[in-house]
Amino acid sequence: DIVMTQSPDSLAVSLGERATINCKSSQSILYSSNNKNYLAWYQQKPGQPPRLLIYWASTRESGVPDRFSGSGSGTDFTLTITSLQAEDVAVYYCQQYYSTPYTFGQGTQLEIK
Amino acid sequence: EVQLVESGGGLVQPGGSLRLSCAASGFTFNTYWMHWVRQAPGRGLVWVSRIESDGSTATYADSVKGRFTISRDNAKNTLYLEMNSLRAEDTAMYYCARAQHYYDSRGYFRNTPYFDSWGQGALVTVSS
Repeated sequence: DIVMTQSPDSLAVSLGERATINCKSSQSILYSSNNKNYLAWYQQKPGQPPRLLIYWASTRESGVPDRFSGSGSGTDFTLTITSLQAEDVAVYYCQQYYSTPYTFGQGTQLEIK
Repeated sequence: EVQLVESGGGLVQPGGSLRLSCAASGFTFNTYWMHWVRQAPGRGLVWVSRIESDGSTATYADSVKGRFTISRDNAKNTLYLEMNSLRAEDTAMYYCARAQHYYDSRGYFRNTPYFDSWGQGALVTVSS
C-alpha cells in the first residue's frame, strides 16, 4: 500500500497569512505514460463531508477560491493557502489515486492564530 | 446539481449485518464508478470499496474483504454496501463518493478516482 504522510499534524496561521501543508507518498505517484501526479487535496469542516479542492496535484476544482493552490511531483506535494480566511479553518487531507487501496494522509488541522 | 444521499445506518451488535444505500441524482449514474469511504469518529478518511460503472467489477480494502459487498442498481440510480460480520472497528461514518474519469487521446476510458462529490454520510455504530 502507498502510505501518505502529511506534515504538520496541526497548524495555526494568522488571518491574511500563508498556510502550507505538506504531503509525502511512500512511492512515486507520477504516472509516466501521461506525466500526471495522481494526488488530490480535500477540505473537511466539522460535521461535513470532505470537499475536493485540488486534483492532478495542481488543478483547482471548479468553484474553489484561487487562494488555494497545489504543487509538487513524484513523492512530495504541497497545498498552499495564501491570505488565510476564517472560513478556511478545517482539516485538510491529501489522497493518492495511483493504485488501490486508495489512501489518504492522516489529516492536518488548520486553525487561526 | 449532483446529489448523493446515504441511508441505512444505525446501531448493530457485533457480528450483525447492515445494508447502506446511496441514492444518486443530478448526473448520469451509470457512467461513473462509485466508491465508499469511511471515517471513524475523530479519525481520518479510509477508502473501503469501489465498483465499476456497469457493476461488473468491485474492489475492496483488505480490512473489509470477504465481509462487505458493494453493488449498484443503475435502473434505480442507487449504490449499496452490504456489511456482514460487523466489528467494533467498523464503527464509522460511511460516505458514498463519485469518482471522476476521462477519455484519453485514443478514446479509452481512464479511471481517475479522485472524489468530486460526496454524500452527507451514514453513521454505523457496532456495539453491544
